[in-house]
Amino acid sequence: DSGVTQTPKHLITATGQRVTLRCSPRSGDLSVYWYQQSLDQGLQFLIQYYNGEERAKGNILERFSAQQFPDLHSELNLSSLELGDSALYFCASSVGTSGSEFFGPGTRLTVL
Amino acid sequence: QQQVKQSPQSLIVQKGGISIINCAYENTAFDYFPWYQQFPGKGPALLIAIRPDVSEKKEGRFTISFNKSAKQFSLHIMDSQPGDSATYFCAASIRASKLTFGTGTRLQVTL
Repeated sequence: DSGVTQTPKHLITATGQRVTLRCSPRSGDLSVYWYQQSLDQGLQFLIQYYNGEERAKGNILERFSAQQFPDLHSELNLSSLELGDSALYFCASSVGTSGSEFFGPGTRLTVL
Repeated sequence: QQQVKQSPQSLIVQKGGISIINCAYENTAFDYFPWYQQFPGKGPALLIAIRPDVSEKKEGRFTISFNKSAKQFSLHIMDSQPGDSATYFCAASIRASKLTFGTGTRLQVTL
């Protein structure tokens, strides 16, 4: 158990809908990262927040957004969902702006 | 553009054998190279990591070999066990942030 928690574990929704994925980092970690894992794209970095502020951006679609709250938990919002958004979404955390990243168990999103 | 290339895609090793997974990178600015292990239905778990100022790092049965001039690094699993059966990902990053992952190697250790 990495100490990173993610909810929900599974999410099934329809195209065009909007969902919110939640992540709580390990105690003491200030950075939160979001990754997408799909069969065709592998594990891809989406975005990083550090202590409430956006730190780095990767291959994140404009339909996706994230934020980190004062209690350091983070939410990833996915809107106008498409079939191709079906994937595993992982959250990871680290102590500082960089450093070893510890992954949560993931949220499996299925868009029908 | 795939910045970290990983091979093989899958690997079958007998119990007690050595598993070897290779990765090559393109970006010379990368300075942190971790390996992650992922079991089905779980998130990736950090296994071992190396920085380019050393050529080898060993932790138990797991060893990373690093060749800076060739821009390659590899994971060796000694005395492979059935419990090691998982998918292994190499990764690279700058200052240990924003990981770029390889495509993964599915390892199966047979009895």
